[in-house]
Amino acid sequence: NAGVTQTPKFRILKIGQSMTLQCAQDMNHNYMYWYRQDPGMGLKLIYYSVGAGITDKGEVPNGYNVSRSTTEDFPLRLELAAPSQTSVYFCASTQRDGYEQYFGPGTRLTVT
Amino acid sequence: KNQVEQSPQSLIILEGKNCTLQCNYTVSPFSNLRWYKQDTGRGPVSLTIMTFSENTKSNGRYTATLDADTKQSSLHITASQLSDSASYICVVSDPPSTLGRLYFGRGTQLTVWP
Repeated sequence: NAGVTQTPKFRILKIGQSMTLQCAQDMNHNYMYWYRQDPGMGLKLIYYSVGAGITDKGEVPNGYNVSRSTTEDFPLRLELAAPSQTSVYFCASTQRDGYEQYFGPGTRLTVT
Repeated sequence: KNQVEQSPQSLIILEGKNCTLQCNYTVSPFSNLRWYKQDTGRGPVSLTIMTFSENTKSNGRYTATLDADTKQSSLHITASQLSDSASYICVVSDPPSTLGRLYFGRGTQLTVWP
């Protein structure tokens, strides 16, 4: 059981570039989440999904897009990267809302 | 406004000593409160989850308490070890009927010295 995996671990983007952060879980969890963690701040929810084909915005969705074509995968797309998107991104999953969330190891993104 | 405040921001203790971390929240309605441990460069890992009806919950050397009336929680670490050095994050959830949104505190950075 790998749990929640994220790739890449680190990435440097130039302003205006695009990229996709990958997230996969092998626990058959329906609920998946994307968070960002800025230095000295609490995690903020970007997008979430309650099942394949169903996604919705969180607290800070601007500049991001998601898709959920399978239960296992929940990629996060950054279009036209901006310096404000420099952060550490965490993907998480849970069996049911209100249950323990399992986090991936994170992707550290720098936009310059 | 729903908020989660943690104190202290950082703490240094000697190995073997005990410590207590504090969490105050204004989230209402409230479903459950969680404590996570986040090692440097890693994702958060759950330590405890308590519903509003629970006063205390333990996980090894970690004991969390909750006072839902005063909206306060604490995490007590007993006989600290070097591996306890990490950020400890308090997270409060509102009920699933409102999406079960999680409100994250900024964390307390604990350093355990030998």
